[in-house]
Amino acid sequence: QKEVEQDPGPLSVPEGAIVSLNCTYSNSAFQYFMWYRQYSRKGPELLMYTYSSGNKEDGRFTAQVDKSSKYISLFIRDSQPSDSATYLCAMRRNSNYQLIWGAGTKLIIKP
Amino acid sequence: NAGVTQTPKFQVLKTGQSMTLQCAQDMNHNSMYWYRQDPGMGLRLIYYSASEGTTDKGEVPNGYNVSRLNKREFSLRLESAAPSQTSVYFCASSEGGLAGGELFFGEGSRLTVL
Repeated sequence: QKEVEQDPGPLSVPEGAIVSLNCTYSNSAFQYFMWYRQYSRKGPELLMYTYSSGNKEDGRFTAQVDKSSKYISLFIRDSQPSDSATYLCAMRRNSNYQLIWGAGTKLIIKP
Repeated sequence: NAGVTQTPKFQVLKTGQSMTLQCAQDMNHNSMYWYRQDPGMGLRLIYYSASEGTTDKGEVPNGYNVSRLNKREFSLRLESAAPSQTSVYFCASSEGGLAGGELFFGEGSRLTVL
């Protein structure tokens, strides 16, 4: 079983919809949680960074961490065609600096 | 801003051939990394260099070697390529090492081993 599970999609939604992307993990020691966005044939770029539990908002994006359920989410409001990309979650422990990555969810926003 | 530059962008090799992937960053970052990305597997760390003069193995180092040539450059070498090394390779850099800071990625090098 992988340490981090992420549905590969594709997830296809109409423009303007609210999108929910999720990852589950098995290691309760993970403390740092990240979302990266990767456009086709490009490298990933950091979107959101959260420590421990709670919510973090940045414009149309909200990252949510539920450590009791070992579940993290990324919400995108008022989705745009330019949001079409693969979204990768990543996480790590305090004591081990290696990032563990989800496989990524491909998101398609239809105009 | 160039950021992280990888060369070559595409390469086709035959089994047993060798090659070196080059990476350079212009952000004065201390730490550099090599990842491979395979469908359904996520990113997996091959090697990293926390600072100039040091290198350490990551999750999947077998079949690879690295050289941190200077603060800017970090190369990845395949001594005897195998079909299992067909992948997209990403170089990344960060200011604070694995412990902190955003990773900045290059655009990737797509390698096919026949």
